[in-house]
Amino acid sequence: NAGVTQTPKFQVLKTGQSMTLQCAQDMNHEYMSWYRQDPGMGLRLIHYSVGAGITDQGEVPNGYNVSRSTTEDFPLRLLSAAPSQTSVYFCASSYAGQLLSGANVLTFGAGSRLTVL
Amino acid sequence: DQQVKQNSPSLSVQEGRISILNCDYTNSMFDYFLWYKKYPAEGPTFLISISSIKDKNEDGRFTVFLNKSAKHLSLHIVPSQPGDSAVYFCAAITGGGADGLTFGKGTHLIIQP
Repeated sequence: NAGVTQTPKFQVLKTGQSMTLQCAQDMNHEYMSWYRQDPGMGLRLIHYSVGAGITDQGEVPNGYNVSRSTTEDFPLRLLSAAPSQTSVYFCASSYAGQLLSGANVLTFGAGSRLTVL
Repeated sequence: DQQVKQNSPSLSVQEGRISILNCDYTNSMFDYFLWYKKYPAEGPTFLISISSIKDKNEDGRFTVFLNKSAKHLSLHIVPSQPGDSAVYFCAAITGGGADGLTFGKGTHLIIQP
């Protein structure tokens, strides 16, 4: 049982380039989300999805795109990378039942460290 | 405006003693509070949670206390062990939590031998 798998672990981009961070989970979780962690800022929500075909914006969505065509995968696309997007990105998932109960206990991936030059 | 605040960036505690990590919040609509633990180069892992209708939740060496009137919660670790050295994030959610957890900035706990 792999849990939440993120690829790549590290990536360096030039300003203006585009790329996709991959996230896959094998726990049949309905809910998936992307966070970014910056020094001194904690984790901030970028986008989330409550099921296949449904996505919504979080606190800091600008510059990012997501789609959810399957339950397992939730890729995060950077359309035109900027230095401000240098960060560590975490994908996280949970069961919808946890959402309904109020305690959304997330399972996180190991993170993808992105540097934009 | 930061809704979840962890005012201590770091905390050093001797092995075997009690570690107390603090968290303050401003949004009275939060329903659940959670603590996550993070080691370097890994994702955060869930540690313990508490509902806003309770004032204490215990799980082994970990206890979380909630003081709603003060909008304050704390995580107690007794006794502290070397493996507890990590960054601890306090997080809170409202309603079903679909729009995500609100995290504090984290406290780096260092357990000294």
